[in-house]
Amino acid sequence: GAVVSQHPSRVICKSGTSVKIECRSLDFQATTMFWYRQFPKQSLMLMATSNEGSKATYEQGVEKDKFLINHASLTLSTLTVASAHPEDSSFYICSARDSRGEQYFGPGTRLTVT
Amino acid sequence: GQQVMQIPQYQHVQEGEDFTTYCNSSTTLSNIQWYKQRPGGHPVFLIQLVKSGEVKKQKRLTFQFGEAKKNSSLHITATQTTDVGTYFCAGLGSSYKLIFGSGTRLLVRP
Repeated sequence: GAVVSQHPSRVICKSGTSVKIECRSLDFQATTMFWYRQFPKQSLMLMATSNEGSKATYEQGVEKDKFLINHASLTLSTLTVASAHPEDSSFYICSARDSRGEQYFGPGTRLTVT
Repeated sequence: GQQVMQIPQYQHVQEGEDFTTYCNSSTTLSNIQWYKQRPGGHPVFLIQLVKSGEVKKQKRLTFQFGEAKKNSSLHITATQTTDVGTYFCAGLGSSYKLIFGSGTRLLVRP
């Protein structure tokens, strides 16, 4: 089946630093990737839709200047959390949609900001 | 905007008992998907329902999609300890965004 990878799987950083998370579709091309955030014991909340070669579309309440998304190729999307703060600590999960419209999730990145 | 509600929030059952979680969307869906997430893990795709009134089975799991394509259910027969986890429904609306329900956490007493 289709595989989506995320790197890193876990990151701990100090408040004020920026963190980049990569999402790759390993065996298929994804024109659209999605970024979700999941706080403990809560559901996945869609943050933004990332389209290859164009600007990401952000959900209401998500700061685009803080969560920078780049979808430079059909297999790679990156999420950069700029000037991270403790309240940004969360589980960030990407998904990639293939040509049939099926969506595959990455394993997630656990971000802890101290 | 599109909202997907899921009940119950959690359920604690004795091994061997049945379990059902229900999902309701505020809008008509193109399809509905179900995922299972184990503690510390990521959501794992279980199934997708597309047709109105569709029913699909996977061993002890039965998935239904409502006639109006706004609600769905997942029923597990004779739960086992391996069924423990959080079950999410996720609806695909007209905007082609997958919106997740709040999830139902299943605990199974051995």
